[in-house]
Amino acid sequence: DTAVSQTPKYLVTQMGNDKSIKCEQNLGHDTMYWYKQDSKKFLKIMFSYNNKELIINETVPNRFSPKSPDKAHLNLHINSLELGDSAVYFCASSQDRRTGGYYTFGSGTRLTVV
Amino acid sequence: SQQGEEDPQALSIQEGENATMNCSYKTSINNLQWYRQNSGRGLVHLILIRSNEREKHSGRLRVTLDTSKKSSSLLITASRAADTASYFCATDAGTGGFKTIFGAGTRLFVKA
Repeated sequence: DTAVSQTPKYLVTQMGNDKSIKCEQNLGHDTMYWYKQDSKKFLKIMFSYNNKELIINETVPNRFSPKSPDKAHLNLHINSLELGDSAVYFCASSQDRRTGGYYTFGSGTRLTVV
Repeated sequence: SQQGEEDPQALSIQEGENATMNCSYKTSINNLQWYRQNSGRGLVHLILIRSNEREKHSGRLRVTLDTSKKSSSLLITASRAADTASYFCATDAGTGGFKTIFGAGTRLFVKA
């Protein structure tokens, strides 16, 4: 069973469109995250959710809206897509990191905006 | 500037050789983690070292931590072609563990 699964794996869309990426974890973790990895492999936090509550919103444009219907799901909706949004988006989950919990990542969604 | 920065950016070695990657960070930490990313895949956790630990081993991996120098190193012994991947260090930016900073990674290529 895949621990953190995100769909779709690839997403090609035109500028201005709205798209969603779904993420689910079956590890029973309390915290979920969205990370963005750019073309230089630099990984940057976007959002952190703990028990469905938003903890971190790392100066992400309002066009990005995360939704956590329950602890096991964290979806990402993106409005009015721009060329600069092209990247690989990773969902991750963890137990309490203050006590040493580590991240489990999904396999990523490669978003290409044309 | 980034919290975690790996050095070197890229490393090419022969199978059987050892590979050493370094990571420097800027603020005090609770722990430091190393992850591996194979091409087209998500990151996979390798090892965590706490701020009160100086060295940790896991199989062919050895991690050291020097909090006075704010640096860590990852040593992979007797490397294999399957170790070809990018390796990232990760530290927390003091926000209770909800905001981890990853470096840009070291790309390791192991030639068979």
